[in-house]
Amino acid sequence: QVQLVQSGAEVKKPGASVRVSCKASGYTFNAYYLHWVRQAPGQGLEYLGRINPHTGDTNYPQTFQGRVTMTRDTSINTAYMELSRLTSDDTAVYYCTREDVTTFAVWGLGTLVTVSS
Amino acid sequence: QPVLTQPPSASGTPGQRVTISCSGSSSNLGRNVVSWYQQLPGTAPKLLIHRNDQRPSGVPDRFSGSKSGTSASLAISGLQSEDEADYYCAAWDDSLNGYVFGTGTKVSVL
Repeated sequence: QVQLVQSGAEVKKPGASVRVSCKASGYTFNAYYLHWVRQAPGQGLEYLGRINPHTGDTNYPQTFQGRVTMTRDTSINTAYMELSRLTSDDTAVYYCTREDVTTFAVWGLGTLVTVSS
Repeated sequence: QPVLTQPPSASGTPGQRVTISCSGSSSNLGRNVVSWYQQLPGTAPKLLIHRNDQRPSGVPDRFSGSKSGTSASLAISGLQSEDEADYYCAAWDDSLNGYVFGTGTKVSVL
């Protein structure tokens, strides 16, 4: 079945970077955009951007431009999201999700990133 | 960052109908379709409604969606205890060149 399996929880110090992976299975990896969404404790969903696995093209909202980088490795059907210059405000659960024509129908289980000194 | 506005909470007794609004602008809801997501505590969001009013297979027909102009609504009829969750709307925003989510609505079953 279609699955997105994310990497495990991370603890980082302020100023560091974190990279979260999202391994896809059960479908043609190149055929669907992958997006990243995060949720801080007790807060709502926040959009981080997307990657086209076929071309590697990315779109990031202005809020995260310069700080987020999305990449992919088509040989292992895996997408990555790297966030740099971390602060405590970046503590959140990070989700990858597959877009099915304007819809996020498939989600990973989430990766908790904790930023603490 | 959220540019779609939802009421923070909504509630009803079992069997009642609850409606959640999602207010946007011409650059998002005014031009693009809306989808709705249900999030139970500690879990990833789950697709509830897509393309304004379409239910994926497996979603009960108690859930319905609509959109008009720059606003959208999610209705839950025959409210059940398992409907207690957070609900989010989402749409593409042409100005921001990215998706935007609603502020979220917590539904309680009294």
